[in-house]
Amino acid sequence: DGGITQSPKYLFRKEGQNVTLSCEQNLNHDAMYWYRQDPGQGLRLIYYSQIVNDFQKGDIAEGYSVSREKKESFPLTVTSAQKNPTAFYLCASSRGGGERNEKLFFGSGTQLSVL
Amino acid sequence: GNSVTQMEGPVTLSEEAFLTINCTYTATGYPSLFWYVQYPGEGLQLLLKATKADDKGSNKGFEATYRKETTSFHLEKGSVQVSDSAVYFCARSQGGSEKLVFGKGTKLTVNP
Repeated sequence: DGGITQSPKYLFRKEGQNVTLSCEQNLNHDAMYWYRQDPGQGLRLIYYSQIVNDFQKGDIAEGYSVSREKKESFPLTVTSAQKNPTAFYLCASSRGGGERNEKLFFGSGTQLSVL
Repeated sequence: GNSVTQMEGPVTLSEEAFLTINCTYTATGYPSLFWYVQYPGEGLQLLLKATKADDKGSNKGFEATYRKETTSFHLEKGSVQVSDSAVYFCARSQGGSEKLVFGKGTKLTVNP
């Protein structure tokens, strides 16, 4: 079955620690995205990538980093510079090509909490 | 600011009640409009979409019509079920890309 897989489902971060959230897709999609979801605030875009080896900052990129070395993988690192990392993180993908009516496919999310 | 504004929740209805969740947007040009649904503990799934003015998106008994004159895309369902309990997000496309701008979400609870 094609889909988008996020791991782990739950993650705990200690003070000053970097943690990496995994996102893998086997849909052969060019574009991938990371969103952060906070209660009452909806989804906010952290980073996105339209093609391998290229990515752009979204609206709230500070304290986060990404890489896109392979088409199917788009890991997100939450660095110690992110002072309020507790949130639900959603990865998504789409076919790419810049079509404004393309739908996004979402993973099932990772809940990150601070110890 | 957020260019997609949704009705504040939570919304609680009895089974078979009529549902409306309001959504308005601000945009230059003509974005595509979407409704996504998120069931507890899961990611979002596309519920329906509309790509131009007067288009009606529909799926699973839900409908929404792209109203350019009122910049709205209200979600409706004639008779809700307990299984419709979820968080509903309105979204619009951003620029000439596949990036989306989301509303804050509206939590719906349907009681038997």
